[in-house]
Amino acid sequence: GAGVSQSPSNKVTEKGKDVELRCDPISGHTALYWYRQSLGQGLEFLIYFQGNSAPDKSGLPSDRFSAERTGGSVSTLTIQRTQQEDSAVYLCASSARHGFNEQFFGPGTRLTVL
Amino acid sequence: DQQVKQNSPSLSVQEGRISILNCDYTNSMFDYFLWYKKYPAEGPTFLISISSIKDKNEDGRFTVFLNKSAKHLSLHIVPSQPGDSAVYFCAARRPYGGATNKLIFGTGTLLAVQP
Repeated sequence: GAGVSQSPSNKVTEKGKDVELRCDPISGHTALYWYRQSLGQGLEFLIYFQGNSAPDKSGLPSDRFSAERTGGSVSTLTIQRTQQEDSAVYLCASSARHGFNEQFFGPGTRLTVL
Repeated sequence: DQQVKQNSPSLSVQEGRISILNCDYTNSMFDYFLWYKKYPAEGPTFLISISSIKDKNEDGRFTVFLNKSAKHLSLHIVPSQPGDSAVYFCAARRPYGGATNKLIFGTGTLLAVQP
């Protein structure tokens, strides 16, 4: 079956521009997570969606970052007025239900801010 | 504040030998630990996990050991194969109970298995 997919796979943008990153979770998975991995760092939690509950945004590094999840499926992570320190690989993961530990990751979007 | 630490950024092992990847954590409230494996240009894939009520979990060539008193876990791969060459991430989960089921990841260890 289809796994988690993300688009684009690579994105190069200029400082100050807005970017949108897309995640299609595994069908039927109710939980969706965004992480990012900066050079030399571990995976850093950004935001978590579970069903219709309010998302946990505690990991978002600034108010330039936001995310939506429409219809409980596809999610979009938006970064406004990008900065060079936003350059990283952005990973999306989904899991079958809240409390289920195994998260299935997409291939990531490599964002480069020039 | 790095709550999950993988102090060895890389490890090189001969094929057929044992690979031991280490992970330390600081939060005694973590109740579940996972290892993920990541190949270049791919997302991490789940490998093996262990609950804090256990001290060992084995799955084929992979065994995870947990030492709660030392806040230390390790992943043993034996025998190591060239296809095991990847980055290995240790992750820990805060307990359920209103808190997000988010994982705290280490920085990863690059394992290279030499033929």
